[in-house]
Amino acid sequence: EDKVVQSPLSLVVHEGDTVTLNCSYEVTNFRSLLWYKQEKKAPTFLFMLTSSGIEKKSGRLSSILDKKELFSILNITATQTGDSAIYLCAQVGSGGSNYKLTFGKGTLLTVNP
Amino acid sequence: DVKVTQSSRYLVKRTGEKVFLECVQDMDHENMFWYRQDPGLGLRLIYFSYDVKMKEKGDIPEGYSVSREKKERFSLILESASTNQTSMYLCASSGAGLGSPLHFGNGTRLTVT
Repeated sequence: EDKVVQSPLSLVVHEGDTVTLNCSYEVTNFRSLLWYKQEKKAPTFLFMLTSSGIEKKSGRLSSILDKKELFSILNITATQTGDSAIYLCAQVGSGGSNYKLTFGKGTLLTVNP
Repeated sequence: DVKVTQSSRYLVKRTGEKVFLECVQDMDHENMFWYRQDPGLGLRLIYFSYDVKMKEKGDIPEGYSVSREKKERFSLILESASTNQTSMYLCASSGAGLGSPLHFGNGTRLTVT
């Protein structure tokens, strides 16, 4: 069974800190890895990673994938209180007649002023 | 922007009732999904559908069924609601491309008493 493990499960930082969130996966037929941010409502899409070593960047957020070691990291620099959220990673594998997404349990990030 | 609409934000039902959760997407997406989200367990896939009238079981299908009569609508049915089905239910949709990111609805918080 595919398994996605995120660490840490929760993290409390001060505004301005830099954080690194981790996601490791075990898959037999890897297609891509996705990162989502969830505040009070639905998860919103951040990044999709398919190739090793290529950094995806959006403002203060960046992410990279290591397919050899089977992990991904999400970096947030100069954190703000608005970054407080649950960050989810999900691995896309093949399964059935389409693809199957397996989510990690998420990292709860709290950014204090 | 993709819009995924869930018919109810909050729902309270009694044990044994039949419950319908409705989800509509406006982007002509082939794939639609139902997840439930519980503290400490993350997002777990209940069912997904890759085409009209097609469905596949996810990780936790027991106690649920689904219906997809039209491409834009995916319904989750609890035939006889039980207290352990109290949860946040999230609907999502995605395009046909492998690894396409999911777009989530705002969720339905169901309480079964």
